[in-house]
Amino acid sequence: QQPVQSPQAVILREGEDAVINCSSSKALYSVHWYRQKHGEAPVFLMILLKGGEQKGHDKISASFNEKKQQSSLYLTASQLSYSGTYFCGTRRSGGGADGLTFGKGTHLIIQP
Amino acid sequence: EAGVTQFPSHSVIEKGQTVTLRCDPISGHDNLYWYRRVMGKEIKFLLHFVKESKQDESGMPNNRFLAERTGGTYSTLKVQPAELEDSGVYFCASSSTGGGYTFGSGTRLTVV
Repeated sequence: QQPVQSPQAVILREGEDAVINCSSSKALYSVHWYRQKHGEAPVFLMILLKGGEQKGHDKISASFNEKKQQSSLYLTASQLSYSGTYFCGTRRSGGGADGLTFGKGTHLIIQP
Repeated sequence: EAGVTQFPSHSVIEKGQTVTLRCDPISGHDNLYWYRRVMGKEIKFLLHFVKESKQDESGMPNNRFLAERTGGTYSTLKVQPAELEDSGVYFCASSSTGGGYTFGSGTRLTVV
């Protein structure tokens, strides 16, 4: 089952905050977040493995609510370099038995 | 460490021809995945290798697609005969068990 991402697109001014959501109708084992810039490979941001787990990297952090089967990616004080398409990828079992199922992506544009 | 390498980076072929895409994963990564992104849409799963074995090939569109992974190292994805709807960007990714994916830069396939 493909996870649902929202919003589909967002335009921000540099320095503003953004939240991207990823929801699944099925129980999840883990959620991955990736960012892809135009013409480039998706780049791994982080994995969330446990319900309620939060992770952070610089000004980008994420949470995973296992009960709601939802993950959110938080971009704080956005920078121009944050522009791109953000994908969540979900996995329903551990051990790497199944590949990730990706959402349709959220297009993020940061303007000066 | 060297990243995931894919080649060719671009391929333009005529409908009915054969094309073979190659992926060299990160050394030591047992998991190798093929994904496809069509027309800016979501990244769709094609198949998953664990070492040389196909763990899951449920995403392969039809029997015109054949993937192999020789000795658990590099992988090839052959499309024969190619159809117009096969156009898109084919990504390969590798990971250690439970780890995040490292994607290659992709092969942009155009079938005319």
